[in-house]
Amino acid sequence: AQKVTQAQTEISVVEKEDVTLDCVYETRDTTYYLFWYKQPPSGELVFLIRRNSFDEQNEISGRYSWNFQKSTSSFNFTITASQVVDSAVYFCALSEVDSNTGKLIFGQGTTLQVKP
Amino acid sequence: KAGVTQTPRYLIKTRGQQVTLSCSPISGHRSVSWYQQTPGQGLQFLFEYFSETQRNKGNFPGRFSGRQFSNSRSEMNVSTLELGDSALYLCASSLQEWDGVQYFGPGTRLTVT
Repeated sequence: AQKVTQAQTEISVVEKEDVTLDCVYETRDTTYYLFWYKQPPSGELVFLIRRNSFDEQNEISGRYSWNFQKSTSSFNFTITASQVVDSAVYFCALSEVDSNTGKLIFGQGTTLQVKP
Repeated sequence: KAGVTQTPRYLIKTRGQQVTLSCSPISGHRSVSWYQQTPGQGLQFLFEYFSETQRNKGNFPGRFSGRQFSNSRSEMNVSTLELGDSALYLCASSLQEWDGVQYFGPGTRLTVT
């Protein structure tokens, strides 16, 4: 069965610290997409990144980087030199293409608090 | 380009009533999905529409229904409201059917008393 697990419920760091948010997924599909979304207090989910199951290259975008490892079914997200504006709830999500469902399966979310 | 818009943003209803929520997707997007977010259950998929057809439905009772119009705008309806239906209802639109990135609206906060 498909499932996304974000084991860290809450993380608190001090500004400028690096922080890694963990995501582990389960799927039987061979073709799938993985996503990270950010949900600030306003409530709107903001898209951060999408990776497909055939592309295990790590990606860096500014202070954000993502590490995708199929061998461990993980798709971790690292924020380098965190800032107060990074405080939000972060969701990892899975979309199974083989199943043609088009739906996103979300993890429970990790609340990140960055203190000044 | 304007993002996904949802109306109303906040709603208070009484048990037993029904409610209709509206979603306007990003211009050109033909796929619209709905999700329910609660503190206990997290983000759960409700249904997805593409070209006015419901393509997939989540594990919710029949009280939850939706539709999509020819201009891709979508509505969801919840009949006979229960206290447990209090949640943030999020709508998302995407350009492609199965693997498109879903862009979310600000949500409708529904409170059932």
